[in-house]
Amino acid sequence: DTGVSQDPRHKITKRGQNVTFRCDPISEHNRLYWYRQTLGQGPEFLTYFQNEAQLEKSRLLSDRFSAERPKGSFSTLEIQRTEQGDSAMYLCASSSIKDGFYEQYFGPGTRLTVT
Amino acid sequence: GQSLEQPSEVTAVEGAIVQINCTYQTSGFYGLSWYQQHDGGAPTFLSYNALDGLEETGRFSSFLSRSDSYGYLLLQELQMKDSASYFCAVSANQAGTALIFGKGTTLSVSS
Repeated sequence: DTGVSQDPRHKITKRGQNVTFRCDPISEHNRLYWYRQTLGQGPEFLTYFQNEAQLEKSRLLSDRFSAERPKGSFSTLEIQRTEQGDSAMYLCASSSIKDGFYEQYFGPGTRLTVT
Repeated sequence: GQSLEQPSEVTAVEGAIVQINCTYQTSGFYGLSWYQQHDGGAPTFLSYNALDGLEETGRFSSFLSRSDSYGYLLLQELQMKDSASYFCAVSANQAGTALIFGKGTTLSVSS
């Protein structure tokens, strides 16, 4: 069990560019979540998957954001036409039915800076 | 709307006891979680309450009163390494769905 990993750890992009982040959850964890966190705030929920099915999306998730978990393992979060307001830490988490899904294990995050 | 209120900052000395309160107003409620986050680190799970009462895990305890929409995290025998941000989070639906986080409480422990 190596924990949740995210790649890249840091991303600097220019406004209008597309970016894609990857998350590898703890193996055999059924659920995978994406959150966004800005300085001084708690994480804000974006979306979550059970296996490959995307079960819930936040209203915060505009049409420019898309997430996939094609084989129920790793997930990608893509942001199209980035805006300066997208600058944040993007956190991925996973959870297991074995724990009753109570505990979400977070990865180290991808820090996005849009210039 | 959904809101969770917790104090923004708390300070204490090593060996002391500190309580971080959380009041919530959400469209639904299934359980209250607490997470710890050190500067530059990932949030880590501390505790979960679905029913009224106290849950104890080592030096940390968490309490929930569903009728008051209120909970708290109690940290005992504070250590310097406990300096971090603490977030309460509500599962508005069943466990394992979206968490709604508060803004966090920054705890500073001094010697």
